[in-house]
Amino acid sequence: IAGITQAPTSQILAAGRRMTLRCTQDMRHNAMYWYRQDLGLGLRLIHYSNTAGTTGKGEVPDGYSVSRANTDDFPLTLASAVPSQTSVYFCASSVLAGYNEQFFGPGTRLTVL
Amino acid sequence: QQQVKQSPQSLIVQKGGIPIINCAYENTAFDYFPWYQQFPGKGPALLIAIRPDVSEKKEGRFTISFNKSAKQFSLHIMDSQPGDSATYFCAASRGNNNDMRFGAGTRLTVKP
Repeated sequence: IAGITQAPTSQILAAGRRMTLRCTQDMRHNAMYWYRQDLGLGLRLIHYSNTAGTTGKGEVPDGYSVSRANTDDFPLTLASAVPSQTSVYFCASSVLAGYNEQFFGPGTRLTVL
Repeated sequence: QQQVKQSPQSLIVQKGGIPIINCAYENTAFDYFPWYQQFPGKGPALLIAIRPDVSEKKEGRFTISFNKSAKQFSLHIMDSQPGDSATYFCAASRGNNNDMRFGAGTRLTVKP
């Protein structure tokens, strides 16, 4: 059982380029999330999806977009990357959105130059 | 502005010691307080969580103490081991993962 997989593991990107981070879960969880982790700031929620076909904005959504075409996949897109988006990105999922344990993927380390 | 303040930033204890990590929050609507453990190069994993209807919850060597009036909660690790060396994050939400707010993290080192 893989749980949550993320790709790529790491990426260096030129500013202004478009980038999609991939996330796939095999646990049939309804809810999925994207976080960024920055030193001294902990994890901050970017976008979430309570169920396939729906998405919502988290604490820091600007510059990012998501889609949820099916239960398993939840890609995060940076339309035009900027250096402040340099971070470690974690995808997570939970059975449901409320009072439920979140399971995190291994993360993607993104550097925008 | 961080809605959940966590301290200390880092902590070093000897094996067998009892590290204590503290968190404070402002939003009285928060009613779910999980702690996550993260090893280097890995994603966070849920360690233990508490709701405000109890003042303490214990799971193995890990205990959460919760003080609703002070809006504070803390993690205690009994008989700490080198394998507990990791970064610990407290978090709080209004019972919905969609608004989970994390503390900045505490890097714990347990020396043999």
